[in-house]
Amino acid sequence: KAGVTQTPRYLIKTRGQQVTLSCSPISGHRSVSWYQQTPGQGLQFLFEYFSETQRNKGNFPGRFSGRQFSNSRSEMNVSTLELGDSALYLCASSLNVGTARTEAFFGQGTRLTVV
Amino acid sequence: DAKTTQPPSMDCAEGRAANLPCNHSTISGNEYVYWYRQIHSQGPQYIIHGLKNNETNEMASLIITEDRKSSTLILPHATLRDTAVYYCIVRISTGTASKLTFGTGTRLQVTL
Repeated sequence: KAGVTQTPRYLIKTRGQQVTLSCSPISGHRSVSWYQQTPGQGLQFLFEYFSETQRNKGNFPGRFSGRQFSNSRSEMNVSTLELGDSALYLCASSLNVGTARTEAFFGQGTRLTVV
Repeated sequence: DAKTTQPPSMDCAEGRAANLPCNHSTISGNEYVYWYRQIHSQGPQYIIHGLKNNETNEMASLIITEDRKSSTLILPHATLRDTAVYYCIVRISTGTASKLTFGTGTRLQVTL
């Protein structure tokens, strides 16, 4: 079956702009999490959505937001882009939320470059 | 999530077993041990996970010590395609939320 799909794969934006990234989870998976990966900070958790509700949030400013739709697809938005937002943004899907028994599968990520 | 400690890098000859250690001495009873790997600029790939019993799948084996304070990921016959950063993660179930807390991982270099 199809894996986690993230679009677009690559994106270049200018400082001050906003950006929306999309994630389609594996069919049947209802939990979607987002991560940011930078060379300096590594992989950091942004937030998790389940049943269209944010269930968990990492330590990121309010410029980072997300949502989940009824079909479990998720989007994340970054407003007022800064140079430091340049990163690989990864989405992971799981069958359920709140259980450590089920694995999370990652997409290939969206590479965002802010200039 | 409990903190994990991994060596920053390891080398392995192709065809040999790669044994990647992980220390998680503060793990609690309901935390699972997960292993992921990341090949350059790709999304992390799930490898295996376990609670207290040893686990094996088509990719690897996971050996967890009896006290659960450490574990070893074994790639039985490493190939050049296994060159990647390997992350050991302990993951807790809270009932309402979950997340993976990645450390810096072990960079495994498989050589001819």
